[in-house]
Amino acid sequence: KAGVTQTPRYLIKTRGQQVTLSCSPISGHRSVSWYQQTPGQGLQFLFEYFSETQRNKGNFPGRFSGRQFSNSRSEMNVSTLELGDSALYLCASSFTPSGANVLTFGAGSRLTVL
Amino acid sequence: AQKVTQAQTEISVVEKEDVTLDCVYETRDTTYYLFWYKQPPSGELVFLIRRNSFDEQNEISGRYSWNFQKSTSSFNFTITASQVVDSAVYFCALSGGYDRGSTLGRLYFGRGTQLTVWP
Repeated sequence: KAGVTQTPRYLIKTRGQQVTLSCSPISGHRSVSWYQQTPGQGLQFLFEYFSETQRNKGNFPGRFSGRQFSNSRSEMNVSTLELGDSALYLCASSFTPSGANVLTFGAGSRLTVL
Repeated sequence: AQKVTQAQTEISVVEKEDVTLDCVYETRDTTYYLFWYKQPPSGELVFLIRRNSFDEQNEISGRYSWNFQKSTSSFNFTITASQVVDSAVYFCALSGGYDRGSTLGRLYFGRGTQLTVWP
């Protein structure tokens, strides 16, 4: 059974650019959530999608957005990149959005903003 | 609000020592779930255990054991006879919001404890 797949694994961008990260959940999982991990702030919740609808959103500026497709795959986009956006972006999937569910995480996309 | 505190930033032990990772949480909810995840250098968070707020039984899985105490809002994790392969960052996490219905699927993570096991 394939795990959560995130692409790309590594990328380098410059300030002002935008970036799109992709996440393919485990087959059958319909909920996808995103987390940002930085040394300064730790692991912070970005947003969660279920059935193509954003169900929950963390405290991030509007430059951070996402979407989910009918096959449950999800993308997140960061526009007008800032140096502080350098981070490991982790995607996780579960069957439903319930907080009781175990989240299965991908290996992450490591973004470096220069 | 939900909050998780892992006071130990880094711990170093020598192989075969026992080590306990502390986790203290804060919540106003009566229904919530606690988790431990392990993050090896590869970056992927690996699930270790889930415990709900109504189940205070301690759990043992091989060399791993967990002590959940609601009275002290703690959910500590002990590794017995540590091994080099246990070296990783360990995160304690809390979900919840069932009482308020507003945080479905969201986890609140502690800052993590970097465990280094030396041979």
